[in-house]
Amino acid sequence: DIQMTQSPSSLSASVGDSVTITCRASQNIGPYLNWYQQKPGRAPHLLIYTASNLHRGVPSRFTGSGVGTDFTLTISSLQPEDFATYYCQQSDTIPYIFGQGTNLEIK
Amino acid sequence: QVQLQESGPGVVKPSQTLSLTCNVSGGSISSGSNYWSWVRQSAGKGLEWIGRMYSGGITKYNPSLETRVTIVADAAKNQFSLKLSSVTDADTAVYYCARALSAARPFDSWGQGILVTVSS
Repeated sequence: DIQMTQSPSSLSASVGDSVTITCRASQNIGPYLNWYQQKPGRAPHLLIYTASNLHRGVPSRFTGSGVGTDFTLTISSLQPEDFATYYCQQSDTIPYIFGQGTNLEIK
Repeated sequence: QVQLQESGPGVVKPSQTLSLTCNVSGGSISSGSNYWSWVRQSAGKGLEWIGRMYSGGITKYNPSLETRVTIVADAAKNQFSLKLSSVTDADTAVYYCARALSAARPFDSWGQGILVTVSS
């Protein structure tokens, strides 16, 4: 199986800050990396697909980049509603694997 | 816009079979190139993809669960279901159904999730 390693596992930031989360795949997955946001008690919500494409309705302060094995999610100008857990997921090869998550907390 | 809703028992006894159904509205499970998946989330293992079904009943499963999992469709009811046999404590999780628009695409629609606890 492809392993997905997210870092950091937790992150503290303030409203207005910019943060970056990284996701590394254990082998080349091309652009097939997706990012989700999850809030407590809710299902994951798609933010970015195929590395850099913004899902409909997602604010432009969310940006994704990367290809191959190294990917990043950047959230600029954090808003109160952005404090949540973020997951990466590779959709290149079965079984689809998720990263372990990054918990973004308010400082 | 497609909507998904899981249903089924919230408690299953050890060694028995977990059975869940995902009702789909706003789109047909039989049309197009949609892939219908089950994903679970537990405190111990995070988010885990269980398997998927493609229109026509073609399935793919996570090898770690393949011997215990079956995903089938009921086109007449526009539903698909999950059966997981021989459950143990490790199968306690929130189970989600989700849709992807094609094989390599992300899960763009999710059900709200259903907590299933394995307990005697």
